[in-house]
Amino acid sequence: DQQVKQNSPSLSVQEGRISILNCDYTNSMFDYFLWYKKYPAEGPTFLISISSIKDKNEDGRFTVFLNKSAKHLSLHIVPSQPGDSAVYFCAASVDDKIIFGKGTRLHILP
Amino acid sequence: DTAVSQTPKYLVTQMGNDKSIKCEQNLGHDTMYWYKQDSKKFLKIMFSYNNKELIINETVPNRFSPKSPDKAHLNLHINSLELGDSAVYFCASSLGRTSGKIQYFGPGTRLLVL
Repeated sequence: DQQVKQNSPSLSVQEGRISILNCDYTNSMFDYFLWYKKYPAEGPTFLISISSIKDKNEDGRFTVFLNKSAKHLSLHIVPSQPGDSAVYFCAASVDDKIIFGKGTRLHILP
Repeated sequence: DTAVSQTPKYLVTQMGNDKSIKCEQNLGHDTMYWYKQDSKKFLKIMFSYNNKELIINETVPNRFSPKSPDKAHLNLHINSLELGDSAVYFCASSLGRTSGKIQYFGPGTRLLVL
């Protein structure tokens, strides 16, 4: 039973355009949501997070939007750059519990 | 000066063997984690320790035993290795317990059981 779902296994976006990665969750008790980025043969690295009491958090080119009623969050990257090509994991947590999605592989096209 | 380090990076072994993976963090964090990323790419938490105390123990076979000798180290020992244990194992650490805390991951240990 996947409590955190990233339904797009991969996404290709032109350099300079906006990349939008989506994540859905089922447990309304989650109170924090995080995005991690992973390059091949490396561990995931933290990108941006959002508390369930907010609906938007922005950090440079990265913005995360949270829609609690739809149990949906999205990560926007604008403008997309070649170095953004990686796998992006969405994670949701509450108390001592954390669940990761399966990841979305983002390809930035030249 | 790597923040979270794991050894070994690669581990190839036969079924039935016992092996250990070591993890060390130099970030001064008080919470450490072990994750398994299987062939389907799911990243699943296995264990978490806070100040050397076990706080998360997901449904993991008891062949897997974590050991935290101090706050900076969390080792994973696996007995009687099985084919299905082949995966990438990631160690991570954070300042404070799980929810909302940024986790810093090690580079992973690629375990292949033959």
